[in-house]
Amino acid sequence: AQSVTQLDSQVPVFEEAPVELRCNYSSSVSVYLFWYVQYPNQGLQLLLKYLSGSTLVKGINGFEAEFNKSQTSFHLRKPSVHISDTAEYFCAVSDRSSYKLIFGSGTRLLVRP
Amino acid sequence: DAGVTQSPTHLIKTRGQQVTLRCSPKSGHDTVSWYQQALGQGPQFIFQYYEEEERQRGNFPDRFSGHQFPNYSSELNVNALLLGDSALYLCASSLSRGYSNQPQHFGDGTRLSIL
Repeated sequence: AQSVTQLDSQVPVFEEAPVELRCNYSSSVSVYLFWYVQYPNQGLQLLLKYLSGSTLVKGINGFEAEFNKSQTSFHLRKPSVHISDTAEYFCAVSDRSSYKLIFGSGTRLLVRP
Repeated sequence: DAGVTQSPTHLIKTRGQQVTLRCSPKSGHDTVSWYQQALGQGPQFIFQYYEEEERQRGNFPDRFSGHQFPNYSSELNVNALLLGDSALYLCASSLSRGYSNQPQHFGDGTRLSIL
């Protein structure tokens, strides 16, 4: 069975500082990986996805993530955060035999001025 | 281009009642998935509909049922509501054509509160 672990429930960071949100997954088969962002009282918005190919994936709003198969990780990074990046971030996994997304418990990014 | 729309936005019910939530997928999308997001947790997959049939189901009891219409819109029905059913219910659509790697686009959800 697949699972996703987001070890950090909350990450506080100052504006314009770099940030990394960690995601580790468990799966016995090849996976697809996603990062979503959820602003208060809203649904989830896709930031980026890894399906195959290059392990460095660039997404919207200046975010990027790197797929590391040996460490089963898919960490999300941004070199300089803004106040508007304050939100909940979810890592998700699926595989070729399944149509469902399995989500982690989320990481709240809190950007301070 | 309208995204995924869900109705109603908020709903209050009492234990034992039944509820129907509605979802219109993003234009051009043929697949609808439903997720339950309890407070402070990540979304959990309920089921997915494609070509008007349930093609995959998560670990939810039979009290949760759904339907997809010929125009691809969908309904989620929950019977015999329990306090634990209080959550944000998210609908997601995709253009899957049968493939599993297509990104899912989410609506803003229906907040269901059970008293």
